[in-house]
Amino acid sequence: EAQVTQNPRYLITVTGKKLTVTCSQNMNHEYMSWYRQDPGLGLRQIYYSMNVEVTDKGDVPEGYKVSRKEKRNFPLILESPSPNQTSLYFCASSLSTGATYEQYFGPGTRLTVT
Amino acid sequence: GENVEQHPSTLSVQEGDSAVIKCTYSDSASNYFPWYKQELGKRPQLIIDIRSNVGEKKDQRIAVTLNKTAKHFSLHITETQPEDSAVYFCAATPSNQFYFGTGTSLTVIP
Repeated sequence: EAQVTQNPRYLITVTGKKLTVTCSQNMNHEYMSWYRQDPGLGLRQIYYSMNVEVTDKGDVPEGYKVSRKEKRNFPLILESPSPNQTSLYFCASSLSTGATYEQYFGPGTRLTVT
Repeated sequence: GENVEQHPSTLSVQEGDSAVIKCTYSDSASNYFPWYKQELGKRPQLIIDIRSNVGEKKDQRIAVTLNKTAKHFSLHITETQPEDSAVYFCAATPSNQFYFGTGTSLTVIP
């Protein structure tokens, strides 16, 4: 089954404790992206990757890191989480290297930083 | 960067009526305009999209129109049904980034 998976689905952590949210897709998609969703603010792009070893900042990259060592995986790293990073996070992938194709979203990761 | 504004933020319609959601964008380089539907507790899913070389696109009860000159695009849902109740997001894509609107919560009253 074609899908985007994220782990964990829920995470409660404390300020400053490094964490990684994994994202994997099995559709051989070139483009992958991370978003955060906050009430009243919609979806905001954090980072995106057009191919292996190619990553770029989105609209809200501060406090986040990503890597793209393999085509299927695109982990999101919070090296020192803060309470303002409490949010719902979505990973997404799409076929093309350009942002002009349907994005397939993962199920989401709800992160709480205390 | 791009700025996408979406209106209204909430919309209630009677079942069978039409619903219209409007978005404006600022960057004339934007060339792809998707619409996503997000049901409560679920992930966003694409319902329709339009590219800048097309003025209108229709898929059954859903249509999208694009006015590049005015930099606005709209989602039209006809003959609304209770299962259309969800949050709808528009987006614009200059270069390789996605910029989403803040969402419209649509409620269809049976």
